[in-house]
Amino acid sequence: EEQLLESGGGLVQPGGSLRLSCAASGFTFSSYGMSWVRQAPGKGLEWVSAITGSGGSTYYADSVKGRFTVSRDNSKNTLYLQMNSLRAEDTAVYYCAKFTGTTVTRNYMDVWGNGTTVTVSS
Amino acid sequence: DIVMTQTPLSVSVTPGQPASISCKSSQSLLHSDGKTYLYWCLQKPGQSPQLLIYEVSSRFSGVPDRFSGSGSGTDFTLKISRVEAEDVGIYYCIQGIHLPVTFGQGTRLEIK
Repeated sequence: EEQLLESGGGLVQPGGSLRLSCAASGFTFSSYGMSWVRQAPGKGLEWVSAITGSGGSTYYADSVKGRFTVSRDNSKNTLYLQMNSLRAEDTAVYYCAKFTGTTVTRNYMDVWGNGTTVTVSS
Repeated sequence: DIVMTQTPLSVSVTPGQPASISCKSSQSLLHSDGKTYLYWCLQKPGQSPQLLIYEVSSRFSGVPDRFSGSGSGTDFTLKISRVEAEDVGIYYCIQGIHLPVTFGQGTRLEIK
């Protein structure tokens, strides 16, 4: 069974940093693009970032560009999101999701984790 | 960015009755490869999103056949032929043709 398990969320002060992890199992991790999607309290879904299967290409929403960095370790079957200069508006549940192919366009997200909660507050 | 617009934003349905959700994109989702990159997911209360429909009308593995998708270009529809209690949640349309991936605002389905 394909599974994703996020971790690393927590309470952080504005301007602080946090690193999220997403452990994958049940599929050949390096063969698939991966994504981070977030959901602010009571709000809809917002795409945050994506990375190709090889890790060679990364993409970001304008709202996080320059502050967040997505990476992956295919030897550890793990996806990461390094979040710096955090703001109150980054408060959300962060989901990792698997694309159906190695690229991140012309594919869709078919497996989602349960999410990890990030709260940015003083 | 491609804007995805769903209507209605909320729907209340009697069990056994049909339901329909519309989704319109600000640009065509038809790619030169002949595929249309529109999909639907459902977020049940307290859960993460789950894929329902991909490429407009293909049901994902395990999705009941009471769910169907249709449409082309910029106009799409998700239909539930006979709503059941387990169908409650928020339905999102999503475009996957261009980055950034964009979502509709979500349509909340409730049971009467």
